[in-house]
Amino acid sequence: NAGVMQNPRHLVRRRGQEARLRCSPMKGHSHVYWYRQLPEEGLKFMVYLQKENIIDESGMPKERFSAEFPKEGPSILRIQQVVRGDSAAYFCASSPGTASSYEQYFGPGTRLTVT
Amino acid sequence: GEDVEQSLFLSVREGDSSVINCTYTDSSSTYLYWYKQEPGAGLQLLTYIFSNMDMKQDQRLTVLLNKKDKHLSLRIADTQTGDSAIYFCAVPIYNFNKFYFGSGTKLNVKP
Repeated sequence: NAGVMQNPRHLVRRRGQEARLRCSPMKGHSHVYWYRQLPEEGLKFMVYLQKENIIDESGMPKERFSAEFPKEGPSILRIQQVVRGDSAAYFCASSPGTASSYEQYFGPGTRLTVT
Repeated sequence: GEDVEQSLFLSVREGDSSVINCTYTDSSSTYLYWYKQEPGAGLQLLTYIFSNMDMKQDQRLTVLLNKKDKHLSLRIADTQTGDSAIYFCAVPIYNFNKFYFGSGTKLNVKP
């Protein structure tokens, strides 16, 4: 049973380009969370999605950032017109989201560098 | 929102016990979690405790919860060099729509 997959593991973008980060949850998990980790800091919640629905996006910047979790395929975190301050590690976590099991299982992260 | 705090560093000798502390503010959380992050890696779920428990033991790990003081601790017995990592406590809001993480405690184990 494969764990949470994220790709790419490393992504370099120039200022103004778009970054697209992918997350495939664990088999059987229908809940996905995205987090951002700045260097030497903890994780900051960005968005929580279930299949085809954004449940909570209160941690997402209002502009340039969007997320989706389509019926088929991975969850995508999209950052348009990247700036240097977007450089960070982006982690997704998946959860079965059942009443007895809300553990989150994390992917290895995508390290975004904006030059 | 939720405020989760941890001390930043802890240094122990191999074979000693380590105690990592966490305080939080939201009393509605039903589960509280501990994660481990090794350099360049994602977070690994170590253990969790249900909020109606005071203690949970899992091999070398002991979690203590003082719900009145909103204080959570993780004790690692017989700490090994392989335990060197950053440890995060995580607290969900009541409906699990959002998890708040502490800033992490960097554990350094000296041989």
